[in-house]
Amino acid sequence: DARVTQTPRHKVTEMGQEVTMRCQPILGHNTVFWYRQTMMQGLELLAYFRNRAPLDDSGMPKDRFSAEMPDATLATLKIQPSEPRDSAVYFCASGLLQPGQGAGAGELFFGEGSRLTVL
Amino acid sequence: DQQVKQNSPSLSVQEGRISILNCDYTNSMFDYFLWYKKYPAEGPTFLISISSIKDKNEDGRFTVFLNKSAKHLSLHIVPSQPGDSAVYFCAASAGNNFNKFYFGSGTKLNVKP
Repeated sequence: DARVTQTPRHKVTEMGQEVTMRCQPILGHNTVFWYRQTMMQGLELLAYFRNRAPLDDSGMPKDRFSAEMPDATLATLKIQPSEPRDSAVYFCASGLLQPGQGAGAGELFFGEGSRLTVL
Repeated sequence: DQQVKQNSPSLSVQEGRISILNCDYTNSMFDYFLWYKKYPAEGPTFLISISSIKDKNEDGRFTVFLNKSAKHLSLHIVPSQPGDSAVYFCAASAGNNFNKFYFGSGTKLNVKP
C-alpha cells in the first residue's frame, strides 16, 4: 500500500529551537510539495521539487525555512529558529506529474501531516 | 494573493439533499482543477478532477462543473451522506508552470442525519 510518510506526526518545541520535518514520498513519484495548513490561508504552498531539484520555494520565509531532497526517498523541511507563528500542520505531497501537460496532469498524494506547536 | 478562493468557510446540508461547494480562481492559465477531501487528523485525499477542455466531470455521486469564462468551478454531491462531512479543498494548476498546485482555503461540509 503505497503512501507518503511524514515524521514526526506531532512536535512541540520552544521558540528558537530547530525543527526538522521529514517526508518519504511514494516510490517512483517525481514531484514533491511541502504545504502548510493554516486557518486563514488553507493549504499554503511552501516548496516544490521535481526530480529532487527545487523548482520553487517562494512561499517559504527564506530567513528561517529551508527545504531539501538529499535523495529520492527523503524530503526535509527545516525551521531554524522556530517561532510561535510557525505553529501549523505541515503536509508533504508527492505525485507523478508531467510538465506541460495540464490535462490529466495527475494528482497529488498527501501524507498525514506533521502538527507543529511552537511555544 | 490567493489565486484560488473558496469564499464559504462552511456549509451545512441535510442528508439526502444536494451539497454544492464553490471555488473561484483568478489565473486564466490554470488548465487542470481538482477537489480534495480532508478528514480531521488526516491528509487530504483526491476526490475528482477536471481539465479545462471539459465543462463537466462526473464520478458517482460527485460532479465537478467548470465555467471558464467565469473562472468558477463547483462540486456537487448528490445525495449527500453523513460520511461526506469533511473539509473540501479546491486546487488548480497550470501545465506550463510545471504543474504547481494552488489550493483554496477549504470549505467545511457538515451533512446532518
